[in-house]
Amino acid sequence: DGGITQSPKYLFRKEGQNVTLSCEQNLNHDAMYWYRQDPGQGLRLIYYSQIVNDFQKGDIAEGYSVSREKKESFPLTVTSAQKNPTAFYLCASSIARIQGHGNQPQHFGDGTRLSIL
Amino acid sequence: KNEVEQSPQNLTAQEGEFITINCSYSVGISALHWLQQHPGGGIVSLFMLSSGKKKHGRLIATINIQEKHSSLHITASHPRDSAVYICAVWSNYQLIWGAGTKLIIKP
Repeated sequence: DGGITQSPKYLFRKEGQNVTLSCEQNLNHDAMYWYRQDPGQGLRLIYYSQIVNDFQKGDIAEGYSVSREKKESFPLTVTSAQKNPTAFYLCASSIARIQGHGNQPQHFGDGTRLSIL
Repeated sequence: KNEVEQSPQNLTAQEGEFITINCSYSVGISALHWLQQHPGGGIVSLFMLSSGKKKHGRLIATINIQEKHSSLHITASHPRDSAVYICAVWSNYQLIWGAGTKLIIKP
């Protein structure tokens, strides 16, 4: 079955450490997204990518970095510059993210919960 | 003021009750999504609407573009419907998310 796989499910970060969250999809989707979810708030977009080797900042990109070397993979690195990284991180994909295609559903992974040690 | 507002924030009901969750938005949209987030955190897309009404099993979603309002209804609710229901609108080439409605259905 096609879907999105996020790993790990739980992750702990030490002070000054970078950590990388994995997101892999086998849906053959062009567009991929990273969201952050905090209690009582709506999802906030960190980064998105419409195509391989291209990605754009979302609303809260500071302290995060991404890469899109393969269509299937969109890893997110939470750097030491992100001072409040404790949150639930969700990866999603859709067929495309281009003009006029807002009527496409996004498919989500099960998320990674990141905490500070 | 948030661009997407959901009400209520929390809802507890008895099994079998008819459930209504509301979503109001203040921006122009080309589509509205309803999603369900399970206690474990995974999110599933339920509906995508640009007009009218859609039905899937016991779930019904409606949208009134003129009033900038959408509702998600659950008929014959069941404890397995307990989840957070999220409304998101596609506006200006981005998704804007509501904070979600936490629904608990008691047996």
